[in-house]
Amino acid sequence: AQSVTQLGSHVSVSEGALVLLRCNYSSSVPPYLFWYVQYPNQGLQLLLKYTSAATLVKGINGFEAEFKKSETSFHLTKPSAHMSDAAEYFCAVILNDYKLSFGAGTTVTVRA
Amino acid sequence: KAGVTQTPRYLIKTRGQQVTLSCSPISGHRSVSWYQQTPGQGLQFLFEYFSETQRNKGNFPGRFSGRQFSNSRSEMNVSTLELGDSALYLCASTTGGTGYEQYFGPGTRLTVT
Repeated sequence: AQSVTQLGSHVSVSEGALVLLRCNYSSSVPPYLFWYVQYPNQGLQLLLKYTSAATLVKGINGFEAEFKKSETSFHLTKPSAHMSDAAEYFCAVILNDYKLSFGAGTTVTVRA
Repeated sequence: KAGVTQTPRYLIKTRGQQVTLSCSPISGHRSVSWYQQTPGQGLQFLFEYFSETQRNKGNFPGRFSGRQFSNSRSEMNVSTLELGDSALYLCASTTGGTGYEQYFGPGTRLTVT
């Protein structure tokens, strides 16, 4: 079964610094990959998705992610963190069904 | 377009009771999925409905059930509630085609006492 592993349950960055969240997937075939963000007491919001059209995917709020098949990775980055980026981020994978499999999540805190 | 809506937002139930949660998908979306989110287990897939048929099912006991109506609205039911069923229940909708991206509602926070 496909799965994702998020490295680091907590990431703390300074405002204006690079945000890097790591995600590795395990799948024998190229999967569909997603990053979601969850703010306190809210549902999940889709940040971006990879569906094999391009390896570098741009999402909302200045986030982007790069699919690297050789490393089975789909890391999420944002060049300059903003206070509003403080939230929990989830990497997720799906094959050709509709069962999203989520990583454990990474909580991002942004220091002023 | 209106997003995915879930009712109620908060529920408090007692062990042994049953509960029904409701989800209205984005207009035009025919697939509805349900997920359970807990601090210990994270986000887990419950089931997915498409055109009133359960198409996928996760590894949950039979106490968890769902259905979908002809207007794509979906309900999930949990019978004989246990303390461990306390969670945020999230509903997500998608077109059901090849895009696969799912759009989530705000969730229903269920507390079992």
